[in-house]
Amino acid sequence: DGGITQSPKYLFRKEGQNVTLSCEQNLNHDAMYWYRQDPGQGLRLIYYSQIVNDFQKGDIAEGYSVSREKKESFPLTVTSAQKNPTAFYLCASSLDRAAYNEQFFGPGTRLTVL
Amino acid sequence: EDQVTQSPEALRLQEGESSSLNCSYTVSGLRGLFWYRQDPGKGPEFLFTLYSAGEEKEKERLKATLTKKESFLHITAPKPEDSATYLCAVQAVETSGSRLTFGEGTQLTVNP
Repeated sequence: DGGITQSPKYLFRKEGQNVTLSCEQNLNHDAMYWYRQDPGQGLRLIYYSQIVNDFQKGDIAEGYSVSREKKESFPLTVTSAQKNPTAFYLCASSLDRAAYNEQFFGPGTRLTVL
Repeated sequence: EDQVTQSPEALRLQEGESSSLNCSYTVSGLRGLFWYRQDPGKGPEFLFTLYSAGEEKEKERLKATLTKKESFLHITAPKPEDSATYLCAVQAVETSGSRLTFGEGTQLTVNP
């Protein structure tokens, strides 16, 4: 089955630690995205990538880093510089074509800072 | 700056009671407007894309419509399983990388 997988589903982090969230897709999509969702709020874009080895900052990139070494994978690292990292993190992908640019989402990772 | 405002924030309906959710947007040239459904603790599920004013799309009990300033998601004779948060997002013509701007969502509860 084609789709987007995220792991882990739940993640607990101590203050001062870096953690990496995994996102993999087998849809052969060009573009991948990371969003953050806080309770009762919409999705806010952290980083996105249109092609391998290239990525751009979104609206709230401070305290986060990404890499795109393979088309299928777009891991997100939440660094100790992120002041309030507790949130629900969503990965998405799209074909990034003019007529087919719907984004499809993974199941999410809930990060809690202890 | 692109903006999306959804109303109401929350809506409670009785089973079979039809209603509409609103998504108002401000964007410098609309490439597309997207509707998603999100269940608690899960990722959003894609529902519809609308590209131009006057366009309508349907799926089961849901129908999405689009004008130059807003979109409506009409829910006809809802069932309890339609309970979810419905998210609206826009993509501007000038946007790079297919970026979407999301609204905060409408939390729909359908009581049996």
